[in-house]
Amino acid sequence: TQLLEQSPQFLSIQEGENLTVYCNSSSVFSSLQWYRQEPGEGPVLLVTVVTGGEVKKLKRLTFQFGDARKDSSLHITAAQPGDTGLYLCAAIRPGAGSYQLTFGKGTKLSVIP
Amino acid sequence: ETGVTQSPTHLIKTRGQQVTLRCSSQSGHNTVSWYQQALGQGPQFIFQYYREEENGRGNFPPRFSGLQFPNYSSELNVNALELDDSALYLCASSLGTPDNSPLHFGNGTRLTVT
Repeated sequence: TQLLEQSPQFLSIQEGENLTVYCNSSSVFSSLQWYRQEPGEGPVLLVTVVTGGEVKKLKRLTFQFGDARKDSSLHITAAQPGDTGLYLCAAIRPGAGSYQLTFGKGTKLSVIP
Repeated sequence: ETGVTQSPTHLIKTRGQQVTLRCSSQSGHNTVSWYQQALGQGPQFIFQYYREEENGRGNFPPRFSGLQFPNYSSELNVNALELDDSALYLCASSLGTPDNSPLHFGNGTRLTVT
């Protein structure tokens, strides 16, 4: 069973549209991270959320951590072609060593000009 | 500030062969983690090295091994390659564990096993 379930798996939208992607789990996390991975590159950390209910903004990207710290969402406003990429959520698996980051399978976003 | 660099970028090997992948960590970072990313999947933790010692290991067989050198660069060795080992291998450096120090990933080595 996947620790982190991401949805949707694929998303193709027109430039200027808004979108939300989700990261869900039955486990409670002390923190959760979001990464973006562009083709041919490694993942780049976008944000870490720590407090239940926390909302963080990064330009047109809004990240929210669920009140129970089991889920998170990423909302993009007025998507741009530069937002194209694989969006990954990641967390430390409860009970595992703090060195081990577990990733979801990601949401592959394509923004069409 | 030099980022994480990995070599080679692409590699093709035959089943049963051995492979060594290399990683230079970001300047000042003393911890290196290796991840395997199969096609269509998220990265999966292989192991982490801190001050030349293995600090933790994921669910990978012993034929996956590593080294960290005094300059904090690292190698990932895979023996007796299998077809399922075909993947993108990512190295990430940091100043500590992911819960208190962000991971900085390299662009990976794409390994194809035929």
